[in-house]
Amino acid sequence: EVQLVESGGGLVQPGGSLRLSCAASGFTFSNYWMHWVRQAPGKGLVWVSGISGSGSGVRYADSVKGRFTISRDNAKNTLSLQMDSLRAEDAAVYYCAGTRVIMSRVDWFDPWGQGTLVTVSS
Amino acid sequence: EIVLTQSPATLSLSPGERATLSCRASQSVSSYLAWYQQKPGQAPRLLIYDASNRATGIPARFSGSGSGIDFTLTISSLEPEDFAVYYCQQRSDWPLTFGGGTKVEIK
Repeated sequence: EVQLVESGGGLVQPGGSLRLSCAASGFTFSNYWMHWVRQAPGKGLVWVSGISGSGSGVRYADSVKGRFTISRDNAKNTLSLQMDSLRAEDAAVYYCAGTRVIMSRVDWFDPWGQGTLVTVSS
Repeated sequence: EIVLTQSPATLSLSPGERATLSCRASQSVSSYLAWYQQKPGQAPRLLIYDASNRATGIPARFSGSGSGIDFTLTISSLEPEDFAVYYCQQRSDWPLTFGGGTKVEIK
């Protein structure tokens, strides 16, 4: 069974740090780009960051560039997101999701995890 | 950044009715557009990819069309489990972007 399980969410003060993790199973993890997509309460989906199967390629949304760092450990089938200098507007459910690569272009978000909630408040 | 605009924001329909959802891109995305369904408290689920291809296990009542800038998701006859929020998403260029969503609610 294909599964993504996020962990690490919680309450953090503005300016603080948090590290999210996503454990993958049931598919060949290293063949997938992996991403973080967030959803603020009552709002839509926003792509945050992605990393290539080898880890050599990374992408960030402008809103998190310089504050968030995505990484992966293919030996442990784990994706991570280090979030520093957190702001109130970073509060959201964070989903990890995988995409294959088709003809050098990332494919569609499938599978998805169930998400982990990050709250930024003093 | 490619902006995706979905309309309407909310669609109020009865079971059995036809739903037509729109997604317009700020520039051409060719056929690199997908549709996702999201129910409360759940992760999104891939419905349609590459504008018109149903994902594995998606019922035939869901169909997608369009290319370039204008795209449509059609649900031919709404079932009770179809009332949810639907998002379009493009993979034509970075950053990957989503539309704002269309909520299909029970009238």
